[in-house]
Amino acid sequence: DTEVTQTPKHLVMGMTNKKSLKCEQHMGHRAMYWYKQKAKKPPELMFVYSYEKLSINESVPSRFSPECPNSSLLNLHLHALQPEDSALYLCASSQRTGAPQYFGPGTRLLVL
Amino acid sequence: GENVEQHPSTLSVQEGDSAVIKCTYSDSASNYFPWYKQELGKRPQLIIDIRSNVGEKKDQRIAVTLNKTAKHFSLHITETQPEDSAVYFCAAIIGNTGNQFYFGTGTSLTVIP
Repeated sequence: DTEVTQTPKHLVMGMTNKKSLKCEQHMGHRAMYWYKQKAKKPPELMFVYSYEKLSINESVPSRFSPECPNSSLLNLHLHALQPEDSALYLCASSQRTGAPQYFGPGTRLLVL
Repeated sequence: GENVEQHPSTLSVQEGDSAVIKCTYSDSASNYFPWYKQELGKRPQLIIDIRSNVGEKKDQRIAVTLNKTAKHFSLHITETQPEDSAVYFCAAIIGNTGNQFYFGTGTSLTVIP
């Protein structure tokens, strides 16, 4: 398996909802990332996990909560989001930090 | 942190012509420079990369050049085809600061048939 997969593809949620985004890779990569991407903008780094430990947290609001249950899985838990959080959420993985990153297809999130 | 500037923001070329996108970076400790192509509604895909110990790398119609002294690197696409139309992002990584990616602002390339 040479791909990063993400579920769901699309998500619509209200500001009081709790939801989770999931990311999976089976390439044996030990670094995994969450990015947020707005239209026509570059991906913005949110979190980095290296060997299942959170190594970078880019001052992301606490309404976003990452989790790395094992080396193949990465979750992003969402709670009490704001409309401005609507974006494409991309997961990526790499063999280690600093190595080429491979992106998943993303979850397109709409917060109403 | 690193600051990556990318130019131009939009680029239109006739099919068959060449396209060049340039990026500059600020931190001389940056040591890895990937390029990503993102088609509308799709994921960013790594198309070519270069490390700081190499000056040029080529893969079929795509090449990347790196000038460490001037702190800039460029993507060259020759014999452009309509399917090359996409947004292209450069990135730089500083090896001694957690290996974080710093992305450029993107170039929207349109290849006119």
